[in-house]
Amino acid sequence: KAGVTQTPRYLIKTRGQQVTLSCSPISGHRSVSWYQQTPGQGLQFLFEYFSETQRNKGNFPGRFSGRQFSNSRSEMNVSTLELGDSALYLCASSLTTGELSYEQYFGPGTRLTVT
Amino acid sequence: DAKTTQPNSMESNEEEPVHLPCNHSTISGTDYIHWYRQLPSQGPEYVIHGLTSNVNNRMASLAIAEDRKSSTLILHRATLRDAAVYYCILRIGAGSYQLTFGKGTKLSVIP
Repeated sequence: KAGVTQTPRYLIKTRGQQVTLSCSPISGHRSVSWYQQTPGQGLQFLFEYFSETQRNKGNFPGRFSGRQFSNSRSEMNVSTLELGDSALYLCASSLTTGELSYEQYFGPGTRLTVT
Repeated sequence: DAKTTQPNSMESNEEEPVHLPCNHSTISGTDYIHWYRQLPSQGPEYVIHGLTSNVNNRMASLAIAEDRKSSTLILHRATLRDAAVYYCILRIGAGSYQLTFGKGTKLSVIP
């Protein structure tokens, strides 16, 4: 079974631009979560989608948004990029959400550099 | 948010057992204890989880204190491939699946 895939793997953008990252979960998984990883802040939860609905959101500004499609694939968008948005963005999928789900499978991440 | 405290780093000799401690004194009754690890240049990987009882799987064992204020991840025989950052995470039992990662423990394995 194929793992979680993320595209693109590397991205360089300029301040003020916007970016869209894509995540394909493991087949059959309906929950997709996004995390940001930086050397200073570590791994931080962005949001989780389950059955095309946002279930939970971390403490990030509204410039960070996401969506999930009917096939469970997910995209996250960052508008008006800032230098501090440079990070590794990780996507994770799980079969379901809430108490019934205990294991998340992470993708390799998208390395975003903002110049 | 419930917080966890872990040592910044630990060392182990190859093929010896490793005990990675985690304190979570503010844990509530429905919080699950999860362990993930992150190998260099990879996304985190699930290791094990538990609620109240000790747990074993093919990767590791999880020993949970009776008062649940601390837990220990046990790798029975460390290999070079086990060198990673290990995260102890408290996950709220109900609601969406959200992991709050701390700084973790960087485990070095000495050949």
